[in-house]
Amino acid sequence: EAGVTQFPSHSVIEKGQTVTLRCDPISGHDNLYWYRRVMGKEIKFLLHFVKESKQDESGMPNNRFLAERTGGTYSTLKVQPAELEDSGVYFCASSHLPRGDQETQYFGPGTRLLVL
Amino acid sequence: QKEVEQDPGPLSVPEGAIVSLNCTYSNSAFQYFMWYRQYSRKGPELLMYTYSSGNKEDGRFTAQVDKSSKYISLFIRDSQPSDSATYLCAMSRGGAQKLVFGQGTRLTINP
Repeated sequence: EAGVTQFPSHSVIEKGQTVTLRCDPISGHDNLYWYRRVMGKEIKFLLHFVKESKQDESGMPNNRFLAERTGGTYSTLKVQPAELEDSGVYFCASSHLPRGDQETQYFGPGTRLLVL
Repeated sequence: QKEVEQDPGPLSVPEGAIVSLNCTYSNSAFQYFMWYRQYSRKGPELLMYTYSSGNKEDGRFTAQVDKSSKYISLFIRDSQPSDSATYLCAMSRGGAQKLVFGQGTRLTINP
């Protein structure tokens, strides 16, 4: 079974440009999460989809970030316009809907974003 | 104050040593406590999880949770060079909920 995949693996852009990150969750996983790790800091939650609906977007830093999940399958995270502080590693994770037990979130390898 | 505190290390020990990794937290609503392992240039991988207080053992790894002290630990026995990685503690309220991570401890096991 294929794991969570993310594209691109790396992206270097200039301040003010737009970047779109993509995440393909494990097939059949209804939950999809985006997290971010800024250098020297902990991994922080951005938002959570259940199928195509945004369940929790409390971690989105500002309105320059737009996340979508078309048809409840893959998800994109767009940053427009990018700022220097957006640099970091963006992780995607997916999980089944839990049935009485804790879910296991499976993480992708991350997209390393550098804004110059 | 961060919700989860974890010493970032780095921590370097000789092969065969017992390793102790720890996290403290402030939110009493956390019910599930996880340890993730992350190798360089990879995503975090779930190592173990524990519900509420107690111990859980899996091979050379033991996870402990003390909710009264808001303190969790991961012990690695007979450490191997292949255990060299960043270890992240993470917590959640349960169900399909966001994870709150510690900063991660970078561990190196020297042959």
